[in-house]
Amino acid sequence: SQQGEEDPQALSIQEGENATMNCSYKTSINNLQWYRQNSGRGLVHLILIRSNEREKHSGRLRVTLDTSKKSSSLLITASRAADTASYFCATPARNYGGSQGNLIFGKGTKLSVKP
Amino acid sequence: DTEVTQTPKHLVMGMTNKKSLKCEQHMGHRAMYWYKQKAKKPPELMFVYSYEKLSINESVPSRFSPECPNSSLLNLHLHALQPEDSALYLCASSLLGGAGELFFGEGSRLTVL
Repeated sequence: SQQGEEDPQALSIQEGENATMNCSYKTSINNLQWYRQNSGRGLVHLILIRSNEREKHSGRLRVTLDTSKKSSSLLITASRAADTASYFCATPARNYGGSQGNLIFGKGTKLSVKP
Repeated sequence: DTEVTQTPKHLVMGMTNKKSLKCEQHMGHRAMYWYKQKAKKPPELMFVYSYEKLSINESVPSRFSPECPNSSLLNLHLHALQPEDSALYLCASSLLGGAGELFFGEGSRLTVL
């Protein structure tokens, strides 16, 4: 059962450019998280934004959250070849009774940064 | 120690074999997870252990059998698998479970012949 959906599915940019990825979700959430995965490796947590936050920064990463539109964006500024990876948003599943459950991952955006 | 360690990294098995995947963390996390990831797809939740008790089983076939011997270890026992079970199996942990930050291992790449 998929909650989040990223777009674009694939993004190819030159080193130094900014990369923007979007995530839409379906149910109300208490937080949204972004993860990165290098090819065939484990996922690495990048950033968590709570439902009462609109924007959050971490180094070259900027995440926004619009709960009215049920959407989030991840911006990577001044991209590097080492940023080449798949990026997933993750949102809590909705348990019976309405509590926030375990994370469900979106389809992901595959980012390719060319040197 | 902020690592989740998975062994083996690669596993090839026949459909009649019995094998196990192992996962270990020493961060004091009380929730541990198994995810399955097929190529070009997102990770899909299989099992969740919370305080060493199985709290979620996402309708996974019985040929996959999880075990949590203690708060640091998580196993996934495999028996009579099918070729379509070939995938990357990811273990993760979180401090208290729920919708908290997940720490992932590097995964075990399973090939079923």
